[in-house]
Amino acid sequence: DAKTTQPPSMDCAEGRAANLPCNHSTISGNEYVYWYRQIHSQGPQYIIHGLKNNETNEMASLIITEDRKSSTLILPHATLRDTAVYYCIVRNPTLISSGSARQLTFGSGTQLTVLP
Amino acid sequence: NAGVMQNPRHLVRRRGQEARLRCSPMKGHSHVYWYRQLPEEGLKFMVYLQKENIIDESGMPKERFSAEFPKEGPSILRIQQVVRGDSAAYFCASSPPPQVAYEQYFGPGTRLTVT
Repeated sequence: DAKTTQPPSMDCAEGRAANLPCNHSTISGNEYVYWYRQIHSQGPQYIIHGLKNNETNEMASLIITEDRKSSTLILPHATLRDTAVYYCIVRNPTLISSGSARQLTFGSGTQLTVLP
Repeated sequence: NAGVMQNPRHLVRRRGQEARLRCSPMKGHSHVYWYRQLPEEGLKFMVYLQKENIIDESGMPKERFSAEFPKEGPSILRIQQVVRGDSAAYFCASSPPPQVAYEQYFGPGTRLTVT
């Protein structure tokens, strides 16, 4: 799985858009970008994933650069409940050879703090 | 549509006792993953199971830890002769059968405290 780099922490004002960057310069063609978050003491929560096109769902938008070396997760109207550690994970989810490598490898993530 | 369920949510064990952690995947999900989060550390993969089959246990400690996912019932993570270093949050995740792109859904976790 490609290595990712995220800033350790970010602040965002409540009601504003939160833009969380992720660098993945060694990403390969069949690797997807996944975003999860972990609100304090809770289980991680899936947010969104994409391959090369921008994606949007009810939680967030994912913008992937044309060269796929970086991406940005956008929370359009951050609320206090969005305060969490956000993880960017790059991986190829398909089964490989005799086994599989479907586990998620969590890095340090970005601690997003939404301020009132 | 119930999510991933884990029980107990909190478990206290004395050193040397056994800990059994249970995970019921989401409806329709046949793949289960266990992760561990030590205090002030990130989540680490432990084991990946399908029904009656361990697919990948590369993250499991070699001794005292075992996991199963029987044909009927929840997945069980078993820790024998617990030590203080086993104190952590243990999270279970589930996913649907293989497809090109998929996501994992996590349970609320079991917090194990070894005294």
